[in-house]
Amino acid sequence: QLVLTQSPSASASPGASVKLTCTLSSEHSNYAIAWHQQQPEKGPRFLMRLNGDGSHNKGDGIPDRFSGSSSGAERYLIISSLQSEDEADYYCQTWGTAINWVFGGGTKVTVL
Amino acid sequence: EVRVLESGGGLVQPGGSLRLSCAASGFALSSYAMHWVRQAPGKGLEWVSGLSDRGGTYYADSVRGRFSISRDTSKNSLYLQMNSLRAEDTAVYYCARGDGEVEKWGQGTLVTVSS
Repeated sequence: QLVLTQSPSASASPGASVKLTCTLSSEHSNYAIAWHQQQPEKGPRFLMRLNGDGSHNKGDGIPDRFSGSSSGAERYLIISSLQSEDEADYYCQTWGTAINWVFGGGTKVTVL
Repeated sequence: EVRVLESGGGLVQPGGSLRLSCAASGFALSSYAMHWVRQAPGKGLEWVSGLSDRGGTYYADSVRGRFSISRDTSKNSLYLQMNSLRAEDTAVYYCARGDGEVEKWGQGTLVTVSS
């Protein structure tokens, strides 16, 4: 079964970096994922597609502070130079061979 | 500009029906896979249903047999017909575009199932 696992929370001070992890189920370790940001009381926003080799394609207008990397079944979202507006929920998402999507449980990022 | 805009949400009693609409602009809806994703209050994102560019329909187990996804290419719109609604269907429903990753999200429409 295709499953994505995320830690529920993360925090860092303004100007620091934070690294979020999304773990794929072991038999799907080569799958690509996408990262999405959901600020309070807003709809989600596409940040980037992240491939198993670490290459990524960002959405329109996504700042350079957001980057991604991969290692085995783990997919990472790195937010550098953390700003107050980065306080949000972050979801990873992947897709199976059929037209169906799977979401991780989300990570709430707090800017201290 | 590529945009999707949902409408049709509201308050409905358990067992009732509701039809959501998603108007697409800036692209031909029939050229992409389109989906409905929902978010219950205080919860995470849950995929509900998808419609491939070729017209194939797909559903989450939680809604299969109760919900129906469709499109009208002449209106460039996507729909979600929701029947036999339950309290646990209460959520913000988002329309989204994407063959793999979600490329574009709508702003959502709130559906509340309550007596």
